[in-house]
Amino acid sequence: DAGITQSPRHKVTETGTPVTLRCHQTENHRYMYWYRQDPGHGLRLIHYSYGVKDTDKGEVSDGYSVSRSKTEDFLLTLESATSSQTSVYFCAISVKGALSPLEQYFGPGTRLTVT
Amino acid sequence: QQQVKQSPQSLIVQKGGISIINCAYENTAFDYFPWYQQFPGKGPALLIAIRPDVSEKKEGRFTISFNKSAKQFSLHIMDSQPGDSATYFCAASISGSARQLTFGSGTQLTV
Repeated sequence: DAGITQSPRHKVTETGTPVTLRCHQTENHRYMYWYRQDPGHGLRLIHYSYGVKDTDKGEVSDGYSVSRSKTEDFLLTLESATSSQTSVYFCAISVKGALSPLEQYFGPGTRLTVT
Repeated sequence: QQQVKQSPQSLIVQKGGISIINCAYENTAFDYFPWYQQFPGKGPALLIAIRPDVSEKKEGRFTISFNKSAKQFSLHIMDSQPGDSATYFCAASISGSARQLTFGSGTQLTV
């Protein structure tokens, strides 16, 4: 899993509660990403970061915020969880590869259920 | 708007057969096309990738065929094995763009 850990791996929470998911990497990669995976939709980008305190929105950013106060950690926060945010969340990093300067590698995922 | 369309949604192939998964894209600025393999409970893993300046790339039993004029690319798995049973995602991006990979919707392969 490319030196990426995600915590928690599983979480059940109630509608309206705040939730924070953590992505941790150990190799000083500059770029980090948060995706969600839902049946029939593949993976969709929520937010990404290109450095400490540097973040940008992805395709499905509504209802999510992120923070990156240090290189190794990228946090995803659901300020007030809704049932539509029940999903599997993947963190990814980019490394320079043979065919692309930004080959993406994914963490093990966090399964979030909002009841 | 889905920019990468993947088919079929599911595929059953006999052991030893050829598995073929197809993808079509719309954005002609895409210039990097990876395929990811995902086993249940795991994150997607980069399997093989291609740039549009070649029409085919082979790595072991896995081959990407690329048709730039048709804006299509496909993954062929030769001599399919039960261990190949997984979900496969095609993706596309603009090389060097930090923004994102655009993924297809996935194909669940059963061998």
